[in-house]
Amino acid sequence: ETGVTQSPTHLIKTRGQQVTLRCSSQSGHNTVSWYQQALGQGPQFIFQYYREEENGRGNFPPRFSGLQFPNYSSELNVNALELDDSALYLCASRQGTGGTDTQYFGPGTRLTVL
Amino acid sequence: QKEVEQNSGPLSVPEGAIASLNCTYSDRGSQSFFWYRQYSGKSPELIMFIYSNGDKEDGRFTAQLNKASQYVSLLIRDSQPSDSATYLCAVSRANDYKLSFGAGTTVTVRA
Repeated sequence: ETGVTQSPTHLIKTRGQQVTLRCSSQSGHNTVSWYQQALGQGPQFIFQYYREEENGRGNFPPRFSGLQFPNYSSELNVNALELDDSALYLCASRQGTGGTDTQYFGPGTRLTVL
Repeated sequence: QKEVEQNSGPLSVPEGAIASLNCTYSDRGSQSFFWYRQYSGKSPELIMFIYSNGDKEDGRFTAQLNKASQYVSLLIRDSQPSDSATYLCAVSRANDYKLSFGAGTTVTVRA
C-alpha cells in the first residue's frame, strides 16, 4: 500500500457528461500528478499540481482540468466526455517536484464512457 | 519515434529462470529511470529506480543503465509465478514534472 487513495473505484458515464475523480496523497507529499492509462498502453501524463497550482501539463485538451486543496488532495475533472476517455485514471503523489523524486500511485479509478 | 520503447512481449519464462526486459528511450536529457510492476487490473507499483550508469541490485531484481546507448534493462532472477505481470519502464528528466512510460512488457512465469 502506498498511502495514496482514489475514489471512486469504478465509474460509468455517458458521452457528453462530466466527471470528477478524487485523490488523497500520501502523508507528507505535496505534489500530485494525474495519468491516463488506456487498455494495453502505458500511463500518459495529464498534469501535475504543486502547492495548489498546476505546474506541468501533458498533451491533453482543456476539458481535462484539476484542483489541489490545502491538504494536498486533488481532483481531476473531465468535461464533455468522449468514448476515448474510457481508461484507468491514476493519481501519483510525491514529495517535491524533481525528476528523481519517486512517484507512488494510487489504486486508480476505472472510467467507462458509453 | 516513441519516447520510451519496450520489447513488445509477451515474455514467457519457466519458473526459476531469468526474465530479461529491455527499454530504450529517445530523450538524451533523461536522468531518472524507473521500473514499475503492474498486475492485471491494478495500479503500477515501483520496484526499482536507477540514476547512474551501471547495475543496481535489489533482491532478485537487477536494473542496468547505459546512458550512452540510451538503454535500461531489468533482470528478474529465479522467476516466480508471482512475478507474472506487466512491467513498465518510465523515464524523467532532471527537474521535470512527468514520467514518460513505455507500453509495458507482459511477463508470464510458467510453473
